Amino acid sequence: AQTVTQSQPEMSVQEAETVTLSCTYDTSENNYYLFWYKQPPSRQMILVIRQEAYKQQNATENRFSVNFQKAAKSFSLKISDSQLGDTAMYFCAFGRTGTASKLTFGTGTRLQVTL
Amino acid sequence: GAVVSQHPSWVICKSGTSVKIECRSLDFQATTMFWYRQFPKQSLMLMATSNEGSKATYEQGVEKDKFLINHASLTLSTLTVTSAHPEDSSFYICSARDQQTKNIQYFGAGTRLSVL
Repeated sequence: AQTVTQSQPEMSVQEAETVTLSCTYDTSENNYYLFWYKQPPSRQMILVIRQEAYKQQNATENRFSVNFQKAAKSFSLKISDSQLGDTAMYFCAFGRTGTASKLTFGTGTRLQVTL
Repeated sequence: GAVVSQHPSWVICKSGTSVKIECRSLDFQATTMFWYRQFPKQSLMLMATSNEGSKATYEQGVEKDKFLINHASLTLSTLTVTSAHPEDSSFYICSARDQQTKNIQYFGAGTRLSVL
C-alpha cells in the first residue's frame, strides 16, 4: 500500500516571499502520478499541480513548481511570490496509473500567508 | 476547466432519516467517481469508488448498506446516507475522474451534513 507523509502541519510565509512544502511517499510502483491540491477556507479542493513519475522534468504552473526526486520519493511544492489568496490547506496526493486509480492523501499542511 | 457540481452544499436532518447527495460532472464524462469523508482539520478519507453501470467498491470499514452509492450515468453519482445518526455528521466530498486527462480528479465543493 502507498503512504504519503507531510511532516509540516503548519507553515507561515510573508506575502511576496517563497515557501516550500514537503511531501514524501512510499510505493513499489514505477509509474504513478503525484498531485498537490489546495483546500482554502471554502473547502473546495483545487488542483494546484500534477507530476507524472516517468517525466524527469519538474512540473511548473505559474508561481507553483515542484521538486520531484523519484529515487528519494520526495515531491515538494514551492510557492513563489506568495499571495494572501494562497492561504489554505495543501494536500499532497499519490495516484496509481490505471482506469480506476484512487488517490492517497497526506495529512496536509496548513499554510498561512501574512502581510 | 473541468467542473464538478455537488448538491446540496449543506443539509440538516433528523436522526433516522435518509439524505441523498448528488455529484455531477458538468462538462466531461466520468466513468469513475469517488466519495470522501473529511473530519474537521483532517485529511480526506476515501469511502468508496463509484463506477458507472456497476456496483461501487467500498473501502474497508465503510458500511455499504449505510452509504448507498448509485452511478447510473456518466455524469451523475449519488451517495445516500441511510438512517442517519449524529455520528454521521461530517463533510462529504465527491470527485470525478476525467477520462481525457487521465488520473486527474476534480472535486465538488462538498456537502456539510448535520444530523440532529
